[in-house]
Amino acid sequence: AQSVTQLGSHVSVSEGALVLLRCNYSSSVPPYLFWYVQYPNQGLQLLLKYTSAATLVKGINGFEAEFKKSETSFHLTKPSAHMSDAAEYFCAVSEVGFQKLVFGTGTRLLVSP
Amino acid sequence: SAVISQKPSRDICQRGTSLTIQCQVDSQVTMMFWYRQQPGQSLTLIATANQGSEATYESGFVIDKFPISRPNLTFSTLTVSNMSPEDSSIYLCSVEAPGQVYGYTFGSGTRLTVV
Repeated sequence: AQSVTQLGSHVSVSEGALVLLRCNYSSSVPPYLFWYVQYPNQGLQLLLKYTSAATLVKGINGFEAEFKKSETSFHLTKPSAHMSDAAEYFCAVSEVGFQKLVFGTGTRLLVSP
Repeated sequence: SAVISQKPSRDICQRGTSLTIQCQVDSQVTMMFWYRQQPGQSLTLIATANQGSEATYESGFVIDKFPISRPNLTFSTLTVSNMSPEDSSIYLCSVEAPGQVYGYTFGSGTRLTVV
């Protein structure tokens, strides 16, 4: 069965600092991987996705993630945090050929001035 | 990408009653998905709804509690039946955006509180 582990329910950074949100997956077959962001009282917005093309995926708002098969990881990074990045971030996995998303428990990103 | 309109955005309901949540998409989509997000937790898939067939429910979710309708390719409803406080959650619908392989779009959600 597929699963996703997000290390750290809360991550705090200063404005301008590097953002690193960790995601490890478990899948018996090559997966598709996603990062979503959820702002307060809003739905989920797709940041980026990995679907077996380039292992370094660039998304919206300056975020990117790298698929590392050897480490079963898909960590999300942004070089310089902005106050507007404060939100809940979810990593999700899907098996190729299936459309069900399995979500991690989420990481709340806090950005201080 | 597809635009989803989900109604109501929030509601407070008495226990024992039912609430029907609507999900309208601005384009035709094959599959629609319903998720539940319990307070402080992640999203869990309730069921997948195809037009013209019965919804497929995930383990732990049953049709009697969460009946789903899918009358056409742009619309679906999820009913939360015989509600209890444990049903207090955010319910979200999701579709695969047309022309975007594995580009899932989510509605803004329905925040349900059962008292």
